[in-house]
Amino acid sequence: DIVMTQSPDSLAVSLGERATINCKSSQSVLSNSNKKNCLGWYQQKPGQPPKLLIYWASARESGVPDRFSGSESGTDFTLTISSLQAEDVAIYYCQQYLSIPWTFGQGTRVEIK
Amino acid sequence: EVQLLESGGGLVQPGGSLRLSCAPSGFTFSNYAMSWVRQAPGKGLEWVSAISGSGGNTYYADSVKGRFAISRDNSKNTLYLQMNSLRAEDTAVYYCAKDAGRGGGSCFDYWGQGTLVTVSS
Repeated sequence: DIVMTQSPDSLAVSLGERATINCKSSQSVLSNSNKKNCLGWYQQKPGQPPKLLIYWASARESGVPDRFSGSESGTDFTLTISSLQAEDVAIYYCQQYLSIPWTFGQGTRVEIK
Repeated sequence: EVQLLESGGGLVQPGGSLRLSCAPSGFTFSNYAMSWVRQAPGKGLEWVSAISGSGGNTYYADSVKGRFAISRDNSKNTLYLQMNSLRAEDTAVYYCAKDAGRGGGSCFDYWGQGTLVTVSS
């Protein structure tokens, strides 16, 4: 199975400041068919289901604010919130969808400092 | 508007069975693979099972293989998860999730609100 490891487990950021969440896969999640990384990012607020933010490691889902961005370097992936807003308080998960079983990172809790 | 509505959760004794259902709307159900993803109380997300759009291919996490069965009825627009030999560690909110359908494997662009399964004596 591909293991997804996120860091940090939690972070506190001031409003308007940048938040950076990291995710590392235990092996490549690069698709042979389209040469894209099969990596998604989700946001989960308390009492709600997860919401897809980013797919193919860096493609923003429709309707997602452009302060959310994804980047990639080999097996290292980053979700950046460029200017943290109060409504961004949530737990964020990465997920690989290259091979079954699809696996998630353990989550990163983002709070306001 | 895409909606996914789960039902069927509840309290069940260890060793018991339960069948979850998911009723989707707002998209052509048969065109998309679907999954069940669960979340134990206070824990992270765990993919459980997936099924292709036609229903001809099914996939399971090792933790549920041989105990759970995923199925779909495209004529009734319904997704199912039959859960047998339930264990305490199966206690979780179970989400129905739609494949984004962008090729490759499954990332999930829509999720239901979830249904809680509690396995306890």
